[in-house]
Amino acid sequence: AQKVTQAQTEISVVEKEDVTLDCVYETRDTTYYLFWYKQPPSGELVFLIRRNSFDEQNEISGRYSWNFQKSTSSFNFTITASQVVDSAVYFCALSEANTGTASKLTFGTGTRLQVTL
Amino acid sequence: EAGVAQSPRYKIIEKRQSVAFWCNPISGHATLYWYQQILGQGPKLLIQFQNNGVVDDSQLPKDRFSAERLKGVDSTLKIQPAKLEDSAVYLCASSLAGNSDSNYGYTFGSGTRLTVV
Repeated sequence: AQKVTQAQTEISVVEKEDVTLDCVYETRDTTYYLFWYKQPPSGELVFLIRRNSFDEQNEISGRYSWNFQKSTSSFNFTITASQVVDSAVYFCALSEANTGTASKLTFGTGTRLQVTL
Repeated sequence: EAGVAQSPRYKIIEKRQSVAFWCNPISGHATLYWYQQILGQGPKLLIQFQNNGVVDDSQLPKDRFSAERLKGVDSTLKIQPAKLEDSAVYLCASSLAGNSDSNYGYTFGSGTRLTVV
């Protein structure tokens, strides 16, 4: 069975601080995908990144960066120089990497990030 | 490209009443999902369709929940009778079927917020 753990329930930072959101996962699959989604107060889930299990190269996109460590089953997300608009709930998710039918996502419980001025 | 459309946006019903939600996926997306997101939790898959066939409904409470996807396009999710614990946001998502790239096309709708009183 797949499981995603986001131990941080809520984080509060002051604008311009860096913040890291932790994600630890469990799966028996040898190949899988990891995701991060952002859910702003409006409620929709916004896709941020997908990472293949066989690609451990870290990725940076603007102020966002992701650190994938297969050895510790972690896929952490860092926001550099946080802004008020980053305030949202962030979800880490896991799916199988089937070559057939598209796979469901298993989500963590989310981390609420509050960025204040 | 139009996104995943869901209606209604909000619904308030009394317990033991019935309710139905509607989802129109992105054109061409063969896979359709219904997720339930209870307040403070991550989304949980209720049912997954591939065209008009069910792929996974293992977490659907079949004594009260039902879903269909006629003609492999639109889908409806019904709850009858509703319980207080069904209060949640019901998210519909769609994706392309087939290979691993399908998860890039995993798009969520804005959801229907159900309150059972």
